[in-house]
Amino acid sequence: GENVEQHPSTLSVQEGDSAVIKCTYSDSASNYFPWYKQELGKGPQLIIDIRSNVGEKKDQRIAVTLNKTAKHFSLHITETQPEDSAVYFCAASIGYGNNRLAFGKGNQVVVIP
Amino acid sequence: DAGITQSPRYKITETGRQVTLMCHQTWSHSYMFWYRQDLGHGLRLIYYSAAADITDKGEVPDGYVVSRSKTENFPLTLESATRSQTSVYFCASRALEARLNTGELFFGEGSRLTVL
Repeated sequence: GENVEQHPSTLSVQEGDSAVIKCTYSDSASNYFPWYKQELGKGPQLIIDIRSNVGEKKDQRIAVTLNKTAKHFSLHITETQPEDSAVYFCAASIGYGNNRLAFGKGNQVVVIP
Repeated sequence: DAGITQSPRYKITETGRQVTLMCHQTWSHSYMFWYRQDLGHGLRLIYYSAAADITDKGEVPDGYVVSRSKTENFPLTLESATRSQTSVYFCASRALEARLNTGELFFGEGSRLTVL
């Protein structure tokens, strides 16, 4: 089955700096790669996603890059702010389509004011 | 209010007891999912449902039972709770991709279950 590895597990950055989280996946059939943000005491919320026919996608301060050959994708957060402090999960579709997702273990990002 | 709601938000029970976690969504989403979140394991899929009366096992289904008699409800039952089922449980829903061209999962706020 699909195996999604996420690293580092914890990341501390100074406010205003950039944060990068990397994920690798194992199933070459995966074609959908979302990122979810989970704030304390809440459910995860989608922040950005990318499909396998695209190499990069941006939405204001966040971007995701995908390297299908190497089977890895990354989340980039620029000009980090305290409200970016949260747990971030990457995920990959299991097989073709996105009926099910395999999630990484999560990454705690702490933005230091 | 529209959305996805879980109940109870907090539950303490004893080993061997039956517990049911409720999930209700108002969007008429076809897909619904149950995940558990544990430190060091992230989110793991327990069961999912593609439509009413259609359910399937996920990654960690043992010890759990689900049903989906109505599109909007997807209860998760622990028939005989064990300490290893202490966790935070998240319900999620998703529209049919073909209709909205999105794979976004909408998560509830979670149900924290402690089994003593």
